[in-house]
Amino acid sequence: EVQLQESGPGLVKPSQSLSLTCSVTGYSITSNYWGWIRKFPGNKMEWMGYISYSGSTSYNPSLKSRISITRDTSKNQFFLQLNSVTTEDTATYYCARGLNYDGYYHTAWGQGTLVTVSS
Amino acid sequence: DIVLTQSPVLAVSLGQRATISCRASQSVSISSINLMHWYQQKPGQQPKLLIYRASNLASGIPARFSGSGSGTDFTLTIDPVQADDIAAYYCQQSRESPFTFGSGTKLEIK
Repeated sequence: EVQLQESGPGLVKPSQSLSLTCSVTGYSITSNYWGWIRKFPGNKMEWMGYISYSGSTSYNPSLKSRISITRDTSKNQFFLQLNSVTTEDTATYYCARGLNYDGYYHTAWGQGTLVTVSS
Repeated sequence: DIVLTQSPVLAVSLGQRATISCRASQSVSISSINLMHWYQQKPGQQPKLLIYRASNLASGIPARFSGSGSGTDFTLTIDPVQADDIAAYYCQQSRESPFTFGSGTKLEIK
């Protein structure tokens, strides 16, 4: 059974970078798609992007050039970096496995990690 | 971006049917493939996939859950509602990027 676990700092200062790790067990990240989704206070959810089994990426244009998703296949981990954060980036961040076959949807999710952007 | 609209709250009695709707700002169907998916999120937990491609039950999900719809209008049905179903329910489209989510419907018990 696949399991995903997010880790990283819970507090980030404005203008700095947010960096999170998703550790995956029970499934290789060289298969399927691996993405990040965040849920803001007030419950709005936003798809941020994914990295595919081949290493290609797709991002939400709203995040423009601030986002980067990378991976380390030797550790079966993938990563989120979000640059130049503001208080608007305060959210619970989830990593998830995606299936992209006749539609893209998230078949397994991590527990989520709350990241607060504050000075 | 495709906007998905959900009613914020739905109150139903235990044992009754719950019908949760999701309306898209444009069609999310391609031919006969309906690119709408549903998730359940209980308080303090991560979201869980319930239904994919509008009507396909995800693995391990009870048959009390079902989905229907096409084009711009989709429905998640829970019949009968049990106490364990208290949660927020989100729709998500994958017709075009960026993939977007509805604002969620919180299911409450009358």
